Amino acid sequence: DGGITQSPKYLFRKEGQNVTLSCEQNLNHDAMYWYRQDPGQGLRLIYYSQIVNDFQKGDIAEGYSVSREKKESFPLTVTSAQKNPTAFYLCASSNGDNEQFFGPGTRLTVL
Amino acid sequence: EDQVTQSPEALRLQEGESSSLNCSYTVSGLRGLFWYRQDPGKGPEFLFTLYSAGEEKEKERLKATLTKKESFLHITAPKPEDSATYLCATHGSSNTGKLIFGQGTTLQVKP
Repeated sequence: DGGITQSPKYLFRKEGQNVTLSCEQNLNHDAMYWYRQDPGQGLRLIYYSQIVNDFQKGDIAEGYSVSREKKESFPLTVTSAQKNPTAFYLCASSNGDNEQFFGPGTRLTVL
Repeated sequence: EDQVTQSPEALRLQEGESSSLNCSYTVSGLRGLFWYRQDPGKGPEFLFTLYSAGEEKEKERLKATLTKKESFLHITAPKPEDSATYLCATHGSSNTGKLIFGQGTTLQVKP
């Protein structure tokens, strides 16, 4: 089955820790995206990558970092510089301007 | 400024009571208007893409329509399983593949 997987489903971070969220797709899509979703707010774009080995900052990139070494993988690191990381994180992929398909999400909580 | 606004924020319907959700957008050069369904704690599920004014698409009890400034998601004779948050999104004016999301309409259908 083609799709997008994210892991872990739940993640807990202590103050000062960096954590990495995994996103893998087997849809053969060129573009991948990371969004953050907070209660009562729409999805906000953190980073996106339109091709392997290239990525751009989205609207709220501060405190986050990404890599795109393989077409199917786009991990997101939440660094200690992100002061309010508790949120629901969603990864998506697409081919060009076509619809984006989303993974199941990772809920990150700061302890 | 590119913007997507959804109304109402929340909608309660009785089973079988038809209604419509609104998505207004202000972007130049529409390259697709997307509708998604999101259940609590899950990633958005793709429903429809509309590209030009006058276009309509249907899936079971849902029909999406598009004008030059807004899109409607019509729900005919809804059932409790239609309860979810419905998101609309469109590409921004820049050619980045980035989607701009509305804040969503949370629909509750009571039996």
